[in-house]
Amino acid sequence: DTAVSQTPKYLVTQMGNDKSIKCEQNLGHDTMYWYKQDSKKFLKIMFSYNNKELIINETVPNRFSPKSPDKAHLNLHINSLELGDSAVYFCASSQGGRSNQPQHFGDGTRLSIL
Amino acid sequence: KQEVTQIPAALSVPEGENLVLNCSFTDSAIYNLQWFRQDPGKGLTSLLLIQSSQREQTSGRLNASLDKSSGRSTLYIAASQPGDSATYLCAVYQAGTALIFGKGTTLSVSS
Repeated sequence: DTAVSQTPKYLVTQMGNDKSIKCEQNLGHDTMYWYKQDSKKFLKIMFSYNNKELIINETVPNRFSPKSPDKAHLNLHINSLELGDSAVYFCASSQGGRSNQPQHFGDGTRLSIL
Repeated sequence: KQEVTQIPAALSVPEGENLVLNCSFTDSAIYNLQWFRQDPGKGLTSLLLIQSSQREQTSGRLNASLDKSSGRSTLYIAASQPGDSATYLCAVYQAGTALIFGKGTTLSVSS
């Protein structure tokens, strides 16, 4: 019954590796997001997709590549992981790109780079 | 560039107190403002969403107000309980971006 689910919940890996985080929502929303929460707990938008189209791409290194195979999924692939990528990554969804509706968040993926 | 500030950064109160969390934002051109709760190791739970045309929203013991012209919002929690202990985040939604968050207020309610 989980509305927005992310896998894995924890990810520990070596610097330089490539990893993916998956996100799925079963709310029927048409817009999905990736946010990053840094070590100081500050949340910042990374990407947003509306109906599988990229609509927001903040100043994120191009090592980060989102992919939306359909409206219910938004995955995040990260190449050549760096120490500074350690953070909690949250997926969210809402109905409508301009969003008069609340955003619903997953429980986060805790990424630790060794 | 929009900036969202939350005061105080941390707050400790005894059970039963009424309390107010503050949020301010620098650009009043927002679509809505949303209050979230984050428990340790968990995701964000949406508490209240106030549209830019609204002045307040209520849900149970929570009441959120919005004064868009002055760039302020408050979250009022009545009769606080230990279960209210969490970090409360304020976020505004603007054109061309997604939610812009404050750094949160960490609330501790002691029994």
